[in-house]
Amino acid sequence: GAVVSQHPSWVICKSGTSVKIECRSLDFQATTMFWYRQFPKQSLMLMATSNEGSKATYEQGVEKDKFLINHASLTLSTLTVTSAHPEDSSFYICSARWAEGKAFFGQGTRLTVV
Amino acid sequence: QKEVEQNSGPLSVPEGAIASLNCTYSDRGSQSFFWYRQYSGKSPELIMSIYSNGDKEDGRFTAQLNKASQYVSLLIRDSQPSDSATYLCASGGSQGNLIFGKGTKLSVKP
Repeated sequence: GAVVSQHPSWVICKSGTSVKIECRSLDFQATTMFWYRQFPKQSLMLMATSNEGSKATYEQGVEKDKFLINHASLTLSTLTVTSAHPEDSSFYICSARWAEGKAFFGQGTRLTVV
Repeated sequence: QKEVEQNSGPLSVPEGAIASLNCTYSDRGSQSFFWYRQYSGKSPELIMSIYSNGDKEDGRFTAQLNKASQYVSLLIRDSQPSDSATYLCASGGSQGNLIFGKGTKLSVKP
């Protein structure tokens, strides 16, 4: 299978600061990556679709000005949580689709805003 | 709205038994289907993919697809305590995304 690497694995930040999460496809090129959020004991929630070289497509209810997505190359997408607040604390996961439509996930980033 | 439905469980089976996980999907145009395993606090891991009607076996896992009934299942033979996790069913959407079910929590008791 393909490898998707996400960094950092966990981060603690102060309320009001911004946090950047990186998602890299290590052994393949991903024109499209997906960002999910998962609260404890809840299901995956798709936040946005990141498209290389163009604007991300956000799901309904997700603030595009708060969750900035940049997909500047075929192997890297970043999610920046701006002016983070405690309610943004969650598990953020990226994924990319490979051959035959299989999606592979990064390790996830656990964000805690204090 | 295109959806994937799963029983949230928990499904509890004794060690060594067969665990049967089920999923239905609403988009008749879906052509690809996947099962992911997610351990608590970890990201999902792909364990099976299936694209055509019938059964597909990989080790202790068997995926079954019935497009006429819009039904996908996953059988886990000789269940082990290490199989205890949440299993996510997903169908391939026309936009290139995957549509996930909410997951079924499986507990394998020693």
